[in-house]
Amino acid sequence: GAVVSQHPSWVICKSGTSVKIECRSLDFQATTMFWYRQFPKQSLMLMATSNEGSKATYEQGVEKDKFLINHASLTLSTLTVTSAHPEDSSFYICSALQGLRGNEQFFGPGTRLTVL
Amino acid sequence: DAKTTQPPSMDCAEGRAANLPCNHSTISGNEYVYWYRQIHSQGPQYIIHGLKNNETNEMASLIITEDRKSSTLILPHAMLRDTAVYYCMFNQAGTALIFGKGTTLSVSS
Repeated sequence: GAVVSQHPSWVICKSGTSVKIECRSLDFQATTMFWYRQFPKQSLMLMATSNEGSKATYEQGVEKDKFLINHASLTLSTLTVTSAHPEDSSFYICSALQGLRGNEQFFGPGTRLTVL
Repeated sequence: DAKTTQPPSMDCAEGRAANLPCNHSTISGNEYVYWYRQIHSQGPQYIIHGLKNNETNEMASLIITEDRKSSTLILPHAMLRDTAVYYCMFNQAGTALIFGKGTTLSVSS
């Protein structure tokens, strides 16, 4: 149990286009999900906290108008990178909070975004 | 910023126990200690967590000092597939995990 999926696993897009990444909790409901990004040879950096039915909370330095987060259901959160640029190329990872198991966070497999 | 201190790297022979230390001297009484690991180009994998008592599961054991300012993750019989970056973190239940640089564990035969 406690599986989190992400789609797509990798995506290549042209500069200026928008890309949507989905994060799903497959076998549990998650009122809270988190989005991270990871640049090569660096650790994960928290981007935002996504709560079902409310606006996301963004970390300092993360542009909310560029990284649109929607958490419309208890099993799905989406991250849309708008007007992507090469510097947005990164590994995007989501996690979902499983309250019934001691508040463990379960991570998705990640999405590799490459902006040309 | 990360609030824990871990050695940047450790080596372990296959089949031997791997003991990974972590200092978290600023932890508060209601904050849990979590350990995750990340194998290259994958999402982090949950290993174990604890509050005060030592914990054990099928993957590892977690030893927390009495003052809760440090802990040790023990992989009893390290395998080659355990080579990964291991992250020690602490937070209040329900809040985001903040990742530091972790410890790169290399298991060799």
